[in-house]
Amino acid sequence: AQTVTQSQPEMSVQEAETVTLSCTYDTSESDYYLFWYKQPPSRQMILVIRQEAYKQQNATENRFSVNFQKAAKSFSLKISDSQLGDAAMYFCAYRSAQDSGAGSYQLTFGKGTKLSVIP
Amino acid sequence: DGGITQSPKYLFRKEGQNVTLSCEQNLNHDAMYWYRQDPGQGLRLIYYSQIVNDFQKGDIAEGYSVSREKKESFPLTVTSAQKNPTAFYLCASSIQPFTEAFFGQGTRLTVV
Repeated sequence: AQTVTQSQPEMSVQEAETVTLSCTYDTSESDYYLFWYKQPPSRQMILVIRQEAYKQQNATENRFSVNFQKAAKSFSLKISDSQLGDAAMYFCAYRSAQDSGAGSYQLTFGKGTKLSVIP
Repeated sequence: DGGITQSPKYLFRKEGQNVTLSCEQNLNHDAMYWYRQDPGQGLRLIYYSQIVNDFQKGDIAEGYSVSREKKESFPLTVTSAQKNPTAFYLCASSIQPFTEAFFGQGTRLTVV
């Protein structure tokens, strides 16, 4: 079974600064997807960014980018020019890309990192 | 607008009662999921359904039941057998074989 670990329960960043959230995962599969989801106080889960394991290029979405290290099984999220609206819980998630039967498409989540943005 | 609708937003239940949480989507997604969220626990999978009339247990299915009679709907029943049902419940859906899961706004269930 796959596991996802977020080792930073809480982090803080000054407004306009850069912060990096860490995520590691454990899998024996070679083909999979990784995601970062944001959960603001409204508790709506919002997809921030996705990465396909077969792509070497790191994904980027505006101020959000990832550092994907497949061999190290590491998937960190970098938020540049942090804004007050970035304050939220951030969850790293894993999903298999192989149809290995029941459950192969479910998302496995880490326990989350609470990000605070200081004005 | 397309999306996932969960209702109600807040739900109170007396001990010993069953209660059903609603989840409807108009995204034409094949797969639907129910997750439970507790403080410090992240999201844990309760049940999922890849197609109509088929569903599978997730990691914490005990005390829960589901049905998938229509593509758009995936209701979750929290039974009296669930020993600690107070939690935040999130419904999600995704297209197969694409990978993003889209989430509803959640239902906060409290047992009183």
